Amino acid sequence: EAGVAQSPRYKIIEKRQSVAFWCNPISGHATLYWYQQILGQGPKLLIQFQNNGVVDDSQLPKDRFSAERLKGVDSTLKIQPAKLEDSAVYLCASSLGGRRQETQYFGPGTRLLVL
Amino acid sequence: AQSVSQHNHHVILSEAASLELGCNYSYGGTVNLFWYVQYPGQHLQLLLKYFSGDPLVKGIKGFEAEFIKSKFSFNLRKPSVQWSDTAEYFCAVIPTDSWGKLQFGAGTQVVVTP
Repeated sequence: EAGVAQSPRYKIIEKRQSVAFWCNPISGHATLYWYQQILGQGPKLLIQFQNNGVVDDSQLPKDRFSAERLKGVDSTLKIQPAKLEDSAVYLCASSLGGRRQETQYFGPGTRLLVL
Repeated sequence: AQSVSQHNHHVILSEAASLELGCNYSYGGTVNLFWYVQYPGQHLQLLLKYFSGDPLVKGIKGFEAEFIKSKFSFNLRKPSVQWSDTAEYFCAVIPTDSWGKLQFGAGTQVVVTP
């Protein structure tokens, strides 16, 4: 079974530039999550999709971050404009139906450095 | 504020030593509890989870964790570690009034020396 795919794996940009990350969840998984992991901290949920609808985006900085999940499969997370403090690993995860008991499967992450 | 605390940021131990990693949470209601592990160069993956029933949960690779409700704790243990257990370990909770939002601790980096 193929895992969660993410691209790019690494990205270096200057502050005020824009950047986009892509995620392809495990086939058949209805729920998709984007987490931000800053160095030395645990992952923090940014946004959760159930199919193509948003379940929770309470911790997404909506003035600069946006995410979409068209057709309920792939997802894109965008930052515009980027700030220095956005330097982090962006993790995508998916689960079958989003219930609490389900295992969330994580992708390899995209490591972003903002200069 | 609701939070998850892991007691140690770094642990170094020798092969065959016993490992115990502490985790405490501060949610007032019922929670579901998880330990995730990230081996060097690999994805974050589930080690074990607790929802209800027997508070002693067994996971993969010989790990176990004990839920002590009165102490709001979910400590991870392994009786005898191997070099391959070198990894970062994350405790996480999902409050039962939350859809699926994992709240992670800061993680503990474990290094096992041969």
